[in-house]
Amino acid sequence: DAGVTQSPTHLIKTRGQQVTLRCSPKSGHDTVSWYQQALGQGPQFIFQYYEEEERQRGNFPDRFSGHQFPNYSSELNVNALLLGDSALYLCASSLWGDSRPNTIYFGEGSWLTVV
Amino acid sequence: GQNIDQPTEMTATEGAIVQINCTYQTSGFNGLFWYQQHAGEAPTFLSYNVLDGLEEKGRFSSFLSRSKGYSYLLLKELQMKDSASYLCAVRDDNQAGTALIFGKGTTLSVSS
Repeated sequence: DAGVTQSPTHLIKTRGQQVTLRCSPKSGHDTVSWYQQALGQGPQFIFQYYEEEERQRGNFPDRFSGHQFPNYSSELNVNALLLGDSALYLCASSLWGDSRPNTIYFGEGSWLTVV
Repeated sequence: GQNIDQPTEMTATEGAIVQINCTYQTSGFNGLFWYQQHAGEAPTFLSYNVLDGLEEKGRFSSFLSRSKGYSYLLLKELQMKDSASYLCAVRDDNQAGTALIFGKGTTLSVSS
């Protein structure tokens, strides 16, 4: 039973470029949330997808957008990259409506460095 | 606004007990989570409180006081492998799919 998988693991981009990060949720999960974790900080919620729609959004600019596919996998897109976008991007999967605490699973993350 | 505070760093020795505090101010409350995160790895779930009181789970315990907006994580019989960042997070709504609000994390260093 595969857990949450994210790709790529590491990548380096230049300011102004665009990046796409991918996440496959744990088998049986239908909800994907994305978090940004800067070095030395806690994760900050970007947005959450369920049934291919953005259901909730944190305090991030429109440069951050996403998508969820029919197979529940998800993409995070960031346009016009800034140096401050350098961070670990975490994907968390869960089952919509399941509030049990130990049912949120995080992926290993994608390390993005903007130079 | 939403705010979660926890100490930035703590140090302790093997075999000791350490308590990591967390205070929160959120618009709503539907549970407080503790996660452990080793450097470069995903956060892993440790403990959860939604009602006041103490939850014990082996070497780890977590306490919650909703009236005070306060929680702590207690780690007993510390081991070197417990050196990690400990994240306090609050789910502020009871709607399905509500996101977690995280604190900045407490880096715990355990020495021999």
